[in-house]
Amino acid sequence: RKEVEQDPGPFNVPEGATVAFNCTYSNSASQSFFWYRQDCRKEPKLLMSVYSSGNEDGRFTAQLNRASQYISLLIRDSKLSDSATYLCVVNEGSNYQLIWGAGTKLIIKP
Amino acid sequence: DADVTQTPRNRITKTGKRIMLECSQTKGHDRMYWYRQDPGLGLRLIYYSFDVKDINKGEISDGYSVSRQAQAKFSLSLESAIPNQTALYFCATGLTGGETQYFGPGTRLLVL
Repeated sequence: RKEVEQDPGPFNVPEGATVAFNCTYSNSASQSFFWYRQDCRKEPKLLMSVYSSGNEDGRFTAQLNRASQYISLLIRDSKLSDSATYLCVVNEGSNYQLIWGAGTKLIIKP
Repeated sequence: DADVTQTPRNRITKTGKRIMLECSQTKGHDRMYWYRQDPGLGLRLIYYSFDVKDINKGEISDGYSVSRQAQAKFSLSLESAIPNQTALYFCATGLTGGETQYFGPGTRLLVL
């Protein structure tokens, strides 16, 4: 079983719509969680951290559900520039080794 | 200028050849990492280094070696390249006590 699982997509969404996707993790002792964004053929970049209380940054909202062991990312009023692959990342311990999901591909259509 | 640079950006080599991928950073970070990315899989950690004298194996270190020549430089070597090492390789940096990792632009490696 993969330690961090994501729906690979693609999610095809019209511009202006709201889209959400989840990521599940297997290690209940995981300590911290992140969403990274990766554009085609480019390097991953941190989008946002996911706190226990949730985290909102403009049109982006990240939530953590420890009981069910998943994190979510919600994008409101989606823009064409939001098209990318979104990587879910989990830190299972204190040595900062991150476990990476394979990513969810999002395509925003005009 | 980019904070984390990787050379070469693209490389084609033949089975059995030894190659080196280089990573340099100007961020002043003490931690450096090498990952590979394959289609349909998450990034997988090959090696990581918390400072110049500290080198650790990651999830998939077999067939690879690394050298931390200075705080700013971390190179990855494939001792005898094989086709299943064809992948996109990323170097990343981070600070002690911080969890964010900062990536270089990647090296596309094709082993024939």
